[in-house]
Amino acid sequence: DGGITQSPKYLFRKEGQNVTLSCEQNLNHDAMYWYRQDPGQGLRLIYYSQIVNDFQKGDIAEGYSVSREKKESFPLTVTSAQKNPTAFYLCASSIAQNQPQHFGDGTRLSIL
Amino acid sequence: GQQLNQSPQSMFIQEGEDVSMNCTSSSIFNTWLWYKQDPGEGPVLLIALYKAGELTSNGRLTAQFGITRKDSFLNISASIPSDVGIYFCAGQLSTDSWGKLQFGAGTQVVVTP
Repeated sequence: DGGITQSPKYLFRKEGQNVTLSCEQNLNHDAMYWYRQDPGQGLRLIYYSQIVNDFQKGDIAEGYSVSREKKESFPLTVTSAQKNPTAFYLCASSIAQNQPQHFGDGTRLSIL
Repeated sequence: GQQLNQSPQSMFIQEGEDVSMNCTSSSIFNTWLWYKQDPGEGPVLLIALYKAGELTSNGRLTAQFGITRKDSFLNISASIPSDVGIYFCAGQLSTDSWGKLQFGAGTQVVVTP
């Protein structure tokens, strides 16, 4: 089946630890995105990538990093610099920029 | 920051009733999208709107792109229990050449039998 796969579903982070969230898509989409969702708020954009080896900061990029070495993969690293990392993280992709985005099922990150 | 105002924040309705929610902004949008999110899952695209005045249906769902390009609404007719969830509007600003999405804060819909 085609789609966007995020893993793991749940992730726990210790203080001072970096963690990486996986996002893989087999839709042959060029553009990929990472969002953060907090209760009662809309989605906020962390990073986005239009093509391989290119990515741009979104509205809340501080404390996060990404890479886009392959078209189908866009992993997000939550670094120790992100002081409030507890949230639901959503990955999305679109066939191109300006096209509707489709989402994965998310990763819930919590602090131990 | 967030530029979309979505209302109502939540709705409690009886099965069979119609539901209406809307998003407004002071900015002009090129595209409006409506998503539904179930607990613990990612948002699913319901309807995409691309032209001012456009009215589009998807089963019991109907959405419109406002004439001023600053608002959109979503209607759900004859609600059923599986309509429960959070509905989000999202738009692409006309001033954003890359087409990043702005999201509303969501409307929580609860359907009672």
